[in-house]
Amino acid sequence: EAQVTQNPRYLITVTGKKLTVTCSQNMNHEYMSWYRQDPGLGLRQIYYSMNVEVTDKGDVPEGYKVSRKEKRNFPLILESPSPNQTSLYFCASREGQGIGGYTFGSGTRLTVV
Amino acid sequence: SQKIEQNSEALNIQEGKTATLTCNYTNYSPAYLQWYRQDPGRGPVFLLLIRENEKEKRKERLKVTFDTTLKQSLFHITASQPADSATYLCVPSNDYKLSFGAGTTVTVRA
Repeated sequence: EAQVTQNPRYLITVTGKKLTVTCSQNMNHEYMSWYRQDPGLGLRQIYYSMNVEVTDKGDVPEGYKVSRKEKRNFPLILESPSPNQTSLYFCASREGQGIGGYTFGSGTRLTVV
Repeated sequence: SQKIEQNSEALNIQEGKTATLTCNYTNYSPAYLQWYRQDPGRGPVFLLLIRENEKEKRKERLKVTFDTTLKQSLFHITASQPADSATYLCVPSNDYKLSFGAGTTVTVRA
């Protein structure tokens, strides 16, 4: 089944403790992206990647890092999480620009205390 | 900066009627526009993509129009069903940077 898999689904962590949210797609898509969704603010793009080793900032990149060493994986790294990064995170992928829509993962609900 | 506005936060309609959702954008000239459906706590699901040179696109009970002069897209759900209840997101785009509208929540009453 074609899908985007995120792990974990739920995570509670403490301020300052580094964490990684994994994202993997099995569709050989070139493009991958991370979003956060907060009540009243909608979905906001954090980082995106056009292909392996090619990444760029979205609208809200502060406090996050990404890497794209393999085509299928696009992990989101929070080096020093803070409470304002408590949010619902989604990873998405698509074949290329202007080709079809994005396939989203099921989401990761992160709470930073 | 670009701005995306989707009509009224919520739309309540009777089963069988047509729901019409509006998406207006400013300070932007997207090459294409996408519509997604999102259920609470779940990832958005892609519905339709319409390009700037297309006026209208249909998929089953869904119809999307794209007016680049008015900077507006209309999204129609015909013969609505309770299962259509969800939040619908408008996403105009030119490149790899995406901006999502806040969404319109549709509730279809049986």
